[in-house]
Amino acid sequence: DQQVKQNSPSLSVQEGRISILNCDYTNSMFDYFLWYKKYPAEGPTFLISISSIKDKNEDGRFTVFLNKSAKHLSLHIVPSQPGDSAVYFCAARGNSGNTPLVFGKGTRLSVIA
Amino acid sequence: DTAVSQTPKYLVTQMGNDKSIKCEQNLGHDTMYWYKQDSKKFLKIMFSYNNKELIINETVPNRFSPKSPDKAHLNLHINSLELGDSAVYFCASSWTGNIGNSPLHFGNGTRLTVT
Repeated sequence: DQQVKQNSPSLSVQEGRISILNCDYTNSMFDYFLWYKKYPAEGPTFLISISSIKDKNEDGRFTVFLNKSAKHLSLHIVPSQPGDSAVYFCAARGNSGNTPLVFGKGTRLSVIA
Repeated sequence: DTAVSQTPKYLVTQMGNDKSIKCEQNLGHDTMYWYKQDSKKFLKIMFSYNNKELIINETVPNRFSPKSPDKAHLNLHINSLELGDSAVYFCASSWTGNIGNSPLHFGNGTRLTVT
């Protein structure tokens, strides 16, 4: 019973183009959504987040969009750069107490020069 | 000056042995976690400690025992290791002052291989 789903295990994009990574969730109690980036042999690093009261959050080349009615979020990277090649994890949590961060399985992004 | 550091990075051991993984954070966070990434690449919460108190204890065998001597450290001890324990274990920390949006900071992981 995956509560956070990333249905695309991998994605290849040309340098300079847009990368769109998708994430679906099933738990309507989730209030915060985060994206993490992971390089091989390193831990995940926080990238960007969004609260359920918003539908968009932008930070430089990274934008996260949230569609609460569809229980769907996406991460847009524009323009994509070779250094963006990594595994991207979508994560979500509720807003009560110490609710744990629940992760998706990750999408491996390859940006081709 | 690594924010979240865990040791060792690699651990190869035989079935039945007991091993420990150490974690330290210098971010001043009040909550620490252990996550397990299995062969299917899922990152799953195992334990969470807030100010040395156990907060979350997911369905994890009793062979796994976390210990938090202070809020900057959370160690993981595993007894009677089994083949299925082979995975990458990540330590993480966060500040729960801003509960929902406080990102976790992860260590670089410990790859445990049980033979």
